[in-house]
Amino acid sequence: AQKITQTQPGMFVQEKEAVTLDCTYDTSDPSYGLFWYKQPSSGEMIFLIYQGSYDQQNATEGRYSLNFQKARKSANLVISASQLGDSAMYFCAMREINTGTASKLTFGTGTRLQVTL
Amino acid sequence: KAGVTQTPRYLIKTRGQQVTLSCSPISGHRSVSWYQQTPGQGLQFLFEYFSETQRNKGNFPGRFSGRQFSNSRSEMNVSTLELGDSALYLCASSLGLEAATNTGELFFGEGSRLTVL
Repeated sequence: AQKITQTQPGMFVQEKEAVTLDCTYDTSDPSYGLFWYKQPSSGEMIFLIYQGSYDQQNATEGRYSLNFQKARKSANLVISASQLGDSAMYFCAMREINTGTASKLTFGTGTRLQVTL
Repeated sequence: KAGVTQTPRYLIKTRGQQVTLSCSPISGHRSVSWYQQTPGQGLQFLFEYFSETQRNKGNFPGRFSGRQFSNSRSEMNVSTLELGDSALYLCASSLGLEAATNTGELFFGEGSRLTVL
């Protein structure tokens, strides 16, 4: 069964610094997708970045990049130049493509990021 | 384009009552999936609807049900509410063609926060 592990319950980073949020996954499906979402206190899940298992390049979206290491089954999120507005919960999620559950995401437990002055 | 819209945003019910939550997906998206988020269990997949048919179902009791209309809008219903049903219910919208495209097109609404007293 698929599993997502986020080992950092909480992280602190100073404004303008870069931060890496860890995510490891486990799946037997060779075709899968990895997501990162940001959830502020309002509750909305905001899509940040996506990496497909067959993508050759690491995904990037503005200040967000995904450090995808397939052999190690890790998909760490890197936020560059942190801003106060980045303070939120961050969730890593995975979906398997070939199991007929392509719209079912398995989520990690999340990392609460606090950006300080 | 407009995002995923969930209504109502907040609601309070008492044990034994039933509740209906609504989700309007992004235009052109045919798949709607539902998730329950609680502090204790985290984010859990409830079910997914595609072209008015339930395509996948999570491990929830039969009190949780849903449906999808021809315009892709979806509703979920929880009958005989229990205290443990208090949660943030999130709806996600996607093209529903992930098996063919393996894309990151999966976006969430702001959620409906249900409190059961």
